[in-house]
Order: sequence, then C-alpha cells, then structure tokens
Amino acid sequence: GESVGLHLPTLSVQEGDNSIINCAYSNSASDYFIWYKQESGKGPQFIIDIRSNMDKRQGQRVTVLLNKTVKHLSLQIAATQPGDSAVYFCAENSGGGSYIPTFGRGTSLIVHP
Amino acid sequence: GAVVSQHPSRVICKSGTSVKIECRSLDFQATTMFWYRQFPKQSLMLMATSNEGSKATYEQGVEKDKFLINHASLTLSTLTVTSAHPEDSSFYICSAREGQLNTEAFFGQGTRLTVV
Repeated sequence: GESVGLHLPTLSVQEGDNSIINCAYSNSASDYFIWYKQESGKGPQFIIDIRSNMDKRQGQRVTVLLNKTVKHLSLQIAATQPGDSAVYFCAENSGGGSYIPTFGRGTSLIVHP
Repeated sequence: GAVVSQHPSRVICKSGTSVKIECRSLDFQATTMFWYRQFPKQSLMLMATSNEGSKATYEQGVEKDKFLINHASLTLSTLTVTSAHPEDSSFYICSAREGQLNTEAFFGQGTRLTVV
C-alpha cells in the first residue's frame, strides 16, 4: 500500500503487479513534465515526458497521465520488476519558455520479489 | 541519451576548506547547467542556474559567495563550496541542457560531499 507522512511516501508492490505513482504539481502555467527515476546514490534518470497539450503518453512498460484540471500527474509501471525499485520524481517546467526542472516530493517504490 | 559526467563522485573534506565539483557534458554543448542539492530522503532542490559565459542565477536562500558557480565553457561547469562546514554535507547533482525551449535536461551521477 501507499503511505504518506513526514518521510518520503512509499509504495510497496509485488513483482508483476502494476504500479501507479502520483504527483501533484503547483504551477498551472507549467507546460512540460518529466518523470525521473533515482536509484540510491545516483543522479536522476529520465523515464518519460509529456507536454501539456497531451493527456497521455506511453513508453515501454510506462504510461504517464496528465490531468491539467487538477494539476495531477501519474506514472503507471506495468509488470513491475525488482529493478524498478527506486525513488520516482516528477518535474515540471517552471521557467516559462525556458525549461528549468523543478522537482516534486518523490515516491519511493519498493518491489518485492 | 546524452551523457553528463560529474566528478568527484565522493569527497570528504575538513571544515574550513573549499571543494570543487566538476560537471561536464560529454557529447553535447550545454548552454545551460543546473546545480541541485539533495538531503537524504528528500527531493532535489535547485540551487542555481548557469548559462555559459554569464553569471549564475541563484535561487532564494542560496549564498552565492558560499557556492561559487563557474560556467566558462559549453562543456564544463564547476561548483565550489567555500569554507565548508558539516551542514554543507549533502548530495550535489548537476544537470545540463542543450537549447533553450522545453528540452530535456540530463543529469550527472551526483557528488556525495562529507565535511568533517
């Protein structure tokens, strides 16, 4: 299940399940969003992006959904694998016409074999 | 994807000394570089944005005299933590972007700084 508290929210799933990670963004003018995966001790790694003129985009095993009405993004990972265990961040374009990645809070995904 | 190399990956320094962290774009020209700081189990906090050949733009609350940023070429930016204190211990991450409008930023592998 998912827990939210003072620490990083955590989502625990079983291998093979689908995972859904949510993110609320703050700037209604943001027009470009990216999901990043960060493994322990490493820099963020690009997963998938979406522009504000779309509400859904699919990649390999991942889908990003964008709901501009409520300023909400989600990342869906199909058939989650232990290698997907990491912290996932959404980032929004906060620089007007010039992209400056501004990161959300992050969610720790733990995949149990 | 494009490669951003950050060096060193780990550094331990004594209080009062200065530490320089390098960020290089290996296969593209980085018109803009970003420096972030990340505490354990927290998100990345933007410290500053630097454009090649001009002064960095610092975020509110970031001391520009403490965190010196130089972006002298299109492939290299440096962050120098001056007169380091234990509270400066953190994970520092750089990011580089080619182009100005809505393009992806590529991240370095981060530098773990420990000030003793």
